[in-house]
Amino acid sequence: GQQVMQIPQYQHVQEGEDFTTYCNSSTTLSNIQWYKQRPGGHPVFLIQLVKSGEVKKQKRLTFQFGEAKKNSSLHITATQTTDVGTYFCAGSGSARQLTFGSGTQLTVLP
Amino acid sequence: EAGVAQSPRYKIIEKRQSVAFWCNPISGHATLYWYQQILGQGPKLLIQFQNNGVVDDSQLPKDRFSAERLKGVDSTLKIQPAKLEDSAVYLCASSLERTRSGNTIYFGEGSWLTVV
Repeated sequence: GQQVMQIPQYQHVQEGEDFTTYCNSSTTLSNIQWYKQRPGGHPVFLIQLVKSGEVKKQKRLTFQFGEAKKNSSLHITATQTTDVGTYFCAGSGSARQLTFGSGTQLTVLP
Repeated sequence: EAGVAQSPRYKIIEKRQSVAFWCNPISGHATLYWYQQILGQGPKLLIQFQNNGVVDDSQLPKDRFSAERLKGVDSTLKIQPAKLEDSAVYLCASSLERTRSGNTIYFGEGSWLTVV
């Protein structure tokens, strides 16, 4: 079945540093979504990428979808303490079922 | 707009006991999901409903888990008998009818289950 892998599992950064998490799928995806989960909270939708090579920005967050539609990345510029949480990618394949990655837990040190 | 409602928020049971979780999706959302999220892992889909029909239950441990969505709105997820490894957060989520570009899934706050 479809597998979605995310690295790194944990990332500690100093406030103001940049952060990147990577997502790789075992199969070609029709779309990929990114979610943020604060400690003790539930996943909250951030963005969806559909097109090959697509790049979308939300303020300090930049999302990319690979040309082969099998990988994606989320980059945060100049992290803030409010960025703390776990970032999940979730890929949708031909069966339209969303498979979540294991997440990257971001800690931002003040 | 009201979000996805779940209850109870927290439940502690002994192994071999039973438990039921309830979910009310966002109004108008035809698709309802139950996910299991074990601490430190990503959500894992247990079952997906489209209206009151099951679309995918391939990862539902059917010997102990059951779920229903009788009138195409509310849903219940039951575990009987519970095992220690069922300790997790059970997330209900909903989305609009599936589109070509995919779904945006809205999650509830989750029901935290501890099996002792």
